[in-house]
Amino acid sequence: QGQLVQSGPEVKKPGASVMVSCEASGYTFLTYSFSWVRQAPGQGLEWMGWVSTSNGATNYARRFQGRVTMTTDPSTTTAYLEVRSLTSDDTAIYYCVRGAGFGEPLDLWGQGTQVTVSS
Amino acid sequence: DIQMTQSPSSLSASVGDRVTITCRASASVDTYVNWYQQKPGKAPKLLIYSASKLQSAVPARFSGSRSGTDFTLTISGLQREDLGTYYCQQSYSTQWTFGQGTKVEIK
Repeated sequence: QGQLVQSGPEVKKPGASVMVSCEASGYTFLTYSFSWVRQAPGQGLEWMGWVSTSNGATNYARRFQGRVTMTTDPSTTTAYLEVRSLTSDDTAIYYCVRGAGFGEPLDLWGQGTQVTVSS
Repeated sequence: DIQMTQSPSSLSASVGDRVTITCRASASVDTYVNWYQQKPGKAPKLLIYSASKLQSAVPARFSGSRSGTDFTLTISGLQREDLGTYYCQQSYSTQWTFGQGTKVEIK
């Protein structure tokens, strides 16, 4: 069925950037694309965008356009999320999730990566 | 963006009860609505996709249905392990959106 293992917790200062990684195993990497979803403390789920593993195409949520970059590396079966110009509002758990594109469900979730932005 | 409005925001029910959670889309999303369960401190898990299809290994007490732009998640016979927060999500438009969540507690 597969597994997604994310990188460890991060603490960043306002204005900095963070990169979160997500290593996939147990399935054919190029068959599925990735979405990223975040959850602020005590809040609901927020979709950030998705990235295609086959051609690198991306589709970002409008509110993150210009501030996030999603990429994949098929040679290491790893997906990456970079978020720039961090503020305290970016403090959240970030999840990588298998699934992207029209009509697709989010069927396999990583364990989440805590990102804390604090001066 | 398409808004997904969930109700209720929370509920408390007894073991064995039938529980219904509703999600209303602000525009047509065809059948492309999915439901997720998030247990406390854990990542979400897919329960239902395409409005009514049960994800593999999910207990049959979970079901989904659609009527126009209204979507329903039903738990037929609530179990203690079903406590958590449930989210709907549409994957129809280019900008995906989640409902705000329904917290389910056990009486």
